[in-house]
Amino acid sequence: QITLKESGPTLVKPTQTLTLTCTVSGFSLSTSGVGVGWIRQPPGKALEWLALIYWDDDKRYSPSLESRLAISKDTSKNQVVLTMTNMDPVDTATFYCAHFLVTGDRDEAFDVWGQGTMVTVSS
Amino acid sequence: DIQMTQSPSTLSASVGDRVTITCRTRLSISGWLAWYQQKPGKAPKLLISKASVLESGVPSRFSGSGSGTEFTLTISSLQPDDSATYYCLQYNSYSNSFGQGTKVEIK
Repeated sequence: QITLKESGPTLVKPTQTLTLTCTVSGFSLSTSGVGVGWIRQPPGKALEWLALIYWDDDKRYSPSLESRLAISKDTSKNQVVLTMTNMDPVDTATFYCAHFLVTGDRDEAFDVWGQGTMVTVSS
Repeated sequence: DIQMTQSPSTLSASVGDRVTITCRTRLSISGWLAWYQQKPGKAPKLLISKASVLESGVPSRFSGSGSGTEFTLTISSLQPDDSATYYCLQYNSYSNSFGQGTKVEIK
């Protein structure tokens, strides 16, 4: 059974860097065709796609946030890490990580999601 | 960056009604579109992938159609448990993008 769980601070100050960890189980981050993505959702608002990392360490970022984001993985720890710099109160959101597969040369949709972790940006 | 236009933003319907939600994009995404259901305080749940492929365990009253630039999620007979917000996701381009969501309420 595939599971993902997000962890990190619940409160960060403006201008600080946010670091979130997604701990996965039921699959290996080094298995060919596997990927993990990050998505956020401000309170009462829509989902926003942030970043992806693939089994081969290829990465993709939202064009509007690329300068502030970095995604990485530690296969030995079964963890995917997302950092977001220069946090602002408008970045207050629930952050989700999600699993997806690559079949052939195409990504599939996010099929299993973590429960999400709420991050508030406030001084 | 592909923008997804989802409509309506909210809809209210009665149990048993047929409900339709639409997502449009200016650029073709072929059939690389998914639909998610999200209930308050919960993570989104994948309902349909590749525009029309129903995920295992999802009730057959849900269906998806479309290709290219216009896609539809249909609930053939609305049930009380279907009260939720629904999102489309395009995963065709280098970067993915979600629609703005449709909140479905039961009258």
